[in-house]
Amino acid sequence: DAGVTQSPTHLIKTRGQQVTLRCSPISGHKSVSWYQQVLGQGPQFIFQYYEKEERGRGNFPDRFSARQFPNYSSELNVNALLLGDSALYLCASSSQGDQPQHFGDGTRLSIL
Amino acid sequence: AQSVTQLGSHVSVSEGALVLLRCNYSSSVPPYLFWYVQYPNQGLQLLLKYTSAATLVKGINGFEAEFKKSETSFHLTKPSAHMSDAAEYFCAVSELTGGGNKLTFGTGTQLKVEL
Repeated sequence: DAGVTQSPTHLIKTRGQQVTLRCSPISGHKSVSWYQQVLGQGPQFIFQYYEKEERGRGNFPDRFSARQFPNYSSELNVNALLLGDSALYLCASSSQGDQPQHFGDGTRLSIL
Repeated sequence: AQSVTQLGSHVSVSEGALVLLRCNYSSSVPPYLFWYVQYPNQGLQLLLKYTSAATLVKGINGFEAEFKKSETSFHLTKPSAHMSDAAEYFCAVSELTGGGNKLTFGTGTQLKVEL
């Protein structure tokens, strides 16, 4: 079975631009979460969606938004990019409740 | 708020030696705890999980972890290190949300395995 897939793998943007990152969960998983991993740090929770509704939000500014589609795939949008948004963005999916999250390989976002 | 602390940002062991990576947690409720491994330019791979069943949890690749409530610890061990174990390891605590859970990660421990 396919794991969590993310696209694109790498992205280069300039300050002020907007970016959309995409994630397809493992088949049958209805929960999708997004994390930001800055170089040298652990991942930080951004959003969690379940059944197309936002169920959790981390301490990130309103420039960050996300949505989940009827097929459970998800998009993360970041507006007005800042240099500090440069990071690896990880998507994870899980079935529900206390089931472990399974991660994709991430999108490496570089802001110039 | 839940949190985890990983002692030692870098750990170096010889091949064949014991691996011990430390994790302490803080949680107001019985925690769900996880260890993940991250290889360069990859996402995180689940090593093992503790969800209030047996306190000694066995994972993949010969790793195991023991939950000690009295010490609020969940240290990761492997009896004999292999070169392929060189990677970054993250301890995480889970908080249930509606329909899923969110993970709070430690800062990670980079494991180096030397010949």
